[in-house]
Amino acid sequence: QKEVEQDPGPLSVPEGAIVSLNCTYSNSAFQYFMWYRQYSRKGPELLMYTYSSGNKEDGRFTAQVDKSSKYISLFIRDSQPSDSATYLCAMNGAGSYQLTFGKGTKLSVIP
Amino acid sequence: EAGVAQSPRYKIIEKRQSVAFWCNPISGHATLYWYQQILGQGPKLLIQFQNNGVVDDSQLPKDRFSAERLKGVDSTLKIQPAKLEDSAVYLCASSLEDRNTGELFFGEGSRLTVL
Repeated sequence: QKEVEQDPGPLSVPEGAIVSLNCTYSNSAFQYFMWYRQYSRKGPELLMYTYSSGNKEDGRFTAQVDKSSKYISLFIRDSQPSDSATYLCAMNGAGSYQLTFGKGTKLSVIP
Repeated sequence: EAGVAQSPRYKIIEKRQSVAFWCNPISGHATLYWYQQILGQGPKLLIQFQNNGVVDDSQLPKDRFSAERLKGVDSTLKIQPAKLEDSAVYLCASSLEDRNTGELFFGEGSRLTVL
């Protein structure tokens, strides 16, 4: 079992839809959870960063962490064509500097 | 603020040849990372530097890969000799702190094709 599992998609949605992206993990030492967005032929950029279980909202984006289920989610409201990208979850543990990434989910938002 | 600079953006080589990638991190960022991203996969850490010292190179295939960060700023990653399975994007990233913030700033990557 891989440490971080993420459905690679591809996921295609119409503009304005609510998008749900998810990752599961097996390592209970993970305490810090991030979502990175990667446009084609670009490097990843940090979207959201969370530490504890619960929700964190930033504009149209909401990150959700459920440590008891080892499950994290990213919700995108009112999706836009500019949201078309690959979304990577990443996580690490206390005292650790090494991020473990998921495979990424490729999202296409159709106008 | 200038971002992480990498070169070359693209490189095609034959197997058993050598290649070198260069990275210039964001000014003031003490920590520098090299990641390997194979098509359809998430980035995998190869090596982490704190200033010019190596913090972690446990996943660097040392029989063929080497990296250095002279003077704690620029870094080079070298592959010699290259294998077909080294075809990937090599991402350089930098951060202000060495742990837990998760905020890595990535360059656009150097895409390597080994024929």
